[in-house]
Amino acid sequence: GAVVSQHPSRVICKSGTSVKIECRSLDFQATTMFWYRQFPKQSLMLMATSNEGSKATYEQGVEKDKFLINHASLTLSTLTVTSAHPEDSSFYICSARVTGGIRAFFGQGTRLTVV
Amino acid sequence: AQSVTQPDIHITVSEGASLELRCNYSYGATPYLFWYVQSPGQGLQLLLKYFSGDTLVQGIKGFEAEFKRSQSSFNLRKPSVHWSDAAEYFCAASGGGADGLTFGKGTHLIIQP
Repeated sequence: GAVVSQHPSRVICKSGTSVKIECRSLDFQATTMFWYRQFPKQSLMLMATSNEGSKATYEQGVEKDKFLINHASLTLSTLTVTSAHPEDSSFYICSARVTGGIRAFFGQGTRLTVV
Repeated sequence: AQSVTQPDIHITVSEGASLELRCNYSYGATPYLFWYVQSPGQGLQLLLKYFSGDTLVQGIKGFEAEFKRSQSSFNLRKPSVHWSDAAEYFCAASGGGADGLTFGKGTHLIIQP
């Protein structure tokens, strides 16, 4: 089956530093990848849609300069949380849609803690 | 605006009893519909999905869901729950194309011995 690998699974960083999260589709090509954020005991909220070779589309209220998304290849999208603050602590999950397909497959998520 | 509503924040069911988790959606057209399960600190596991066709959808772990267009609902059911079913359940919808998923707020399922 289609596998999406997300790395790292957990990261702790100091306030003011930047953190990069990778999302890879291991056995399929994904023109479109999605990034979600989940605060404790809450639902998942779509942050942005990442399309290979073009700029990401951000949902309303998501700061594009803070959450930098790069989708340089058909198998890799990255989310960089810049100048992280404690309020950015959250569970970040990516999903990747098979090119031409309907269903998207989820990574295992990244637990970010900013101290 | 597109939305997915899960009216029940918590549900407690006895082991062996039947289960129904409610989900309603509000979309311009019939969306693609999904149910996911999430254990604490874990990622999402897809239980089942509805794209078109037969309105009764079978999923993994003995779950099924029924799409009812007239009620804009996609309720999840299981005839007999097991203690291992305790988790957070999310209903989600997508308009397709380049759309991401819109998630409901989730239902926390508690299984009583």
